[in-house]
Amino acid sequence: QKEVEQNSGPLSVPEGAIASLNCTYSDRGSQSFFWYRQYSGKSPELIMSIYSNGDKEDGRFTAQLNKASQYVSLLIRDSQPSDSATYLCAVRPGTQGGSEKLVFGKGTKLTVNP
Amino acid sequence: DTGVSQDPRHKITKRGQNVTFRCDPISEHNRLYWYRQTLGQGPEFLTYFQNEAQLEKSRLLSDRFSAERPKGSFSTLEIQRTEQGDSAMYLCASSPFRGTGYTDTQYFGPGTRLTVL
Repeated sequence: QKEVEQNSGPLSVPEGAIASLNCTYSDRGSQSFFWYRQYSGKSPELIMSIYSNGDKEDGRFTAQLNKASQYVSLLIRDSQPSDSATYLCAVRPGTQGGSEKLVFGKGTKLTVNP
Repeated sequence: DTGVSQDPRHKITKRGQNVTFRCDPISEHNRLYWYRQTLGQGPEFLTYFQNEAQLEKSRLLSDRFSAERPKGSFSTLEIQRTEQGDSAMYLCASSPFRGTGYTDTQYFGPGTRLTVL
């Protein structure tokens, strides 16, 4: 089982719609979760971090965390063509003796159609 | 803007050659990380430093790879005897360290794209 799993997509939504991106992780001790956006040929850019169960909102973005289900999601409201990118879920493992590394999923490619 | 910088941005080399990449972190960040990303995959952790100390290395990091951060500022990643499988984007990230119990966000540089012919 891969440590962090995401649907690779592609996910295609019309402009103005809600895009829903999902991520599951295997390490039950994980405490820190991140969503990064990566445009083609560019480096990852942080969108959101979340540490506690529930929702965290920042503008058009909402991250949701359910530790019992080992599930993290990212909702993008009022999607814009400029949101078209690959979205990477990253988890800091909790059971690897203080490791500071991030473990990434493969990413979900999102296309927002005008 | 004083973000993470990396040099060179692109490197083409022949198999068997050695290459070295440089990363300059955000100035107040004392943690520095190296990741590798291949097409269609997420970044894969290689190693990280806190100040000049290399605190963690991935078991995936072969003996041909070495990283240094001699003065706790910039870092170099060297790959010896490059192989075609080393072709990837090499990403550097940095974060502050606020103390045990905090998780600090990692900010990525633009990456160095390596092509081994």
